[in-house]
Amino acid sequence: ETGVTQTPRHLVMGMTNKKSLKCEQHLGHNAMYWYKQSAKKPLELMFVYSLEERVENNSVPSRFSPECPNSSHLFLHLHTLQPEDSALYLCASSQTTGAQGYGYTFGSGTRLTVV
Amino acid sequence: SQQGEEDPQALSIQEGENATMNCSYKTSINNLQWYRQNSGRGLVHLILIRSNEREKHSGRLRVTLDTSKKSSSLLITASRAADTASYFCATGTSGSRLTFGEGTQLTVNP
Repeated sequence: ETGVTQTPRHLVMGMTNKKSLKCEQHLGHNAMYWYKQSAKKPLELMFVYSLEERVENNSVPSRFSPECPNSSHLFLHLHTLQPEDSALYLCASSQTTGAQGYGYTFGSGTRLTVV
Repeated sequence: SQQGEEDPQALSIQEGENATMNCSYKTSINNLQWYRQNSGRGLVHLILIRSNEREKHSGRLRVTLDTSKKSSSLLITASRAADTASYFCATGTSGSRLTFGEGTQLTVNP
């Protein structure tokens, strides 16, 4: 257990479904991230939140909608996804945003399959 | 653009041997970090080295950084079967997020 908990671990959804991924951390970190990991590709940063405010959105399609109600929780709302969105979605947290020198703590990820 | 690029893409060794993985990057960095990922799981932070440091140790891990060559290496000594995983380098630049490479898949055979 890393201190960052992601649920569910696995999710299969149809292209017309709406689902949400949840991430929770109780490390006292102020920054939270969503990453997408597809086979044979580097990790892709999707969203960055600092103190509950979205500070970065890396050209992610609107069918992915993040929400950060407080500094301990982060959601990724999914709707009308495409099969190419199937991937491992990883949540991470760090003490601050930026890369001044803090490691990221990752959750175990949600394996998403879009059918 | 992608920063860290690991080399080799895959490495297979026998238990007890040392494993060396390399990472090259393109622009100036503030720090470089190494992570490990077991199959289908999240990444685990292993070690961070700052741009003004040349070498760092943590247990069986040794990381070097050569900013003039824009490269880093991760050495795992006396490898164990449990070290089998993917290893990623991530570069941090001032004011921006970590950028990850594609990783090296290490297999340690018992």
